[in-house]
Amino acid sequence: AQKVTQAQTEISVVEKEDVTLDCVYETRDTTYYLFWYKQPPSGELVFLIRRNSFDEQNEISGRYSWNFQKSTSSFNFTITASQVVDSAVYFCALSEQGGADGLTFGKGTHLIIQP
Amino acid sequence: NAGVTQTPKFQVLKTGQSMTLQCAQDMNHEYMSWYRQDPGMGLRLIHYSVGAGITDQGEVPNGYNVSRSTTEDFPLRLLSAAPSQTSVYFCASSLSRTYEQYFGPGTRLTVT
Repeated sequence: AQKVTQAQTEISVVEKEDVTLDCVYETRDTTYYLFWYKQPPSGELVFLIRRNSFDEQNEISGRYSWNFQKSTSSFNFTITASQVVDSAVYFCALSEQGGADGLTFGKGTHLIIQP
Repeated sequence: NAGVTQTPKFQVLKTGQSMTLQCAQDMNHEYMSWYRQDPGMGLRLIHYSVGAGITDQGEVPNGYNVSRSTTEDFPLRLLSAAPSQTSVYFCASSLSRTYEQYFGPGTRLTVT
């Protein structure tokens, strides 16, 4: 069965520090998709990235970057030069190509950026 | 485009009452789903639909019912509310199960 583990329940850093959120997944499928979502204090869920299992290239989008490593079943998310507006709960999620269900979410990491 | 809309935003029910949470999308997405979010639990899949007339159960379907008569609408029915169903409910839609899902704003439900 598929599983996503976000071991960091809460991280607190000072503004402008870099911070990495860890995501480890388990799946038996060879084709799968990984996602990150952001949930700010207002409560909505904002899609950040989708990555398929055949694309191990790192992705950078502004201050955000993602490191996908199949060898360690990890899909980590780094925020460079963090800002107070980055404060949110971040969820990693997995969907299997051969599965029947929707997304399997991790329990989330609460990121607090202190000014 | 309104995206995914949900009504109501907030609801308080008494144990044993029934109600329907509404969800609609205007993106012509085939795949729609319902999740519940509980503190420290992440989001868990309740029911999903791969197209009009087709629904299936997710991880936590007990106490909930769904139907999908049109592509746009995917209501979630609570048959007999229980305090354990106190949660925030999110509806989502996407092109397919493996594509990014777009979420509605959520419904905060309290059952007393």
